Amino acid sequence: GDSVTQMEGPVTLSEEAFLTINCTYTATGYPSLFWYVQYPGEGLQLLLKATKADDKGSNKGFEATYRKETTSFHLEKGSVQVSDSAVYFCALSEDTNAGKSTFGDGTTLTVKP
Amino acid sequence: NAGVTQTPKFQVLKTGQSMTLQCAQDMNHNSMYWYRQDPGMGLRLIYYSASEGTTDKGEVPNGYNVSRLNKREFSLRLESAAPSQTSVYFCASSGSQGANSPLHFGNGTRLTVT
Repeated sequence: GDSVTQMEGPVTLSEEAFLTINCTYTATGYPSLFWYVQYPGEGLQLLLKATKADDKGSNKGFEATYRKETTSFHLEKGSVQVSDSAVYFCALSEDTNAGKSTFGDGTTLTVKP
Repeated sequence: NAGVTQTPKFQVLKTGQSMTLQCAQDMNHNSMYWYRQDPGMGLRLIYYSASEGTTDKGEVPNGYNVSRLNKREFSLRLESAAPSQTSVYFCASSGSQGANSPLHFGNGTRLTVT
């Protein structure tokens, strides 16, 4: 079945540091890939997505590229801010699985001033 | 701009008690989902409804029932709560693009079963 593996956290960075959160996946077909962000006390919200190989999703300075050859969708940001502190989830969704989403375990990011 | 609304936000139950978690969305989405979130385990799908009038089991359905009351509302019922059901419950909905549609989440219900 489908699965998503994220790098283990927590991750602690200083403000303006470079961020990478690794995500790899296993899927039976050609999934769509997503990054969601969860702020304390809130639900998850979509950060970015990519629906086919080599697509790059981007939003709020975050980027991720759909790499079919390495089955990866790593999240990057060039310069993090304190306000980026949150939990980040990688997820996939396949039409062959009725569009249901499979999530990674989440990576907690803390950015210190 | 309500999106997905869940009630209640917090609930404490004693073992064996029952309750219903309510969820409503105002985005005219066809699909709705119930997930539970436990520390270090990501989100696990309990039940989902691909369209009004249909419901299907997800990864962890035992101990739960659902009702898709209409297109807007999708409720989750715990008939006899157990401590293992202590968790944060999220309702979500998605539109008509199939696997390309992102999920829209409510803010969650934090349930404690003692």
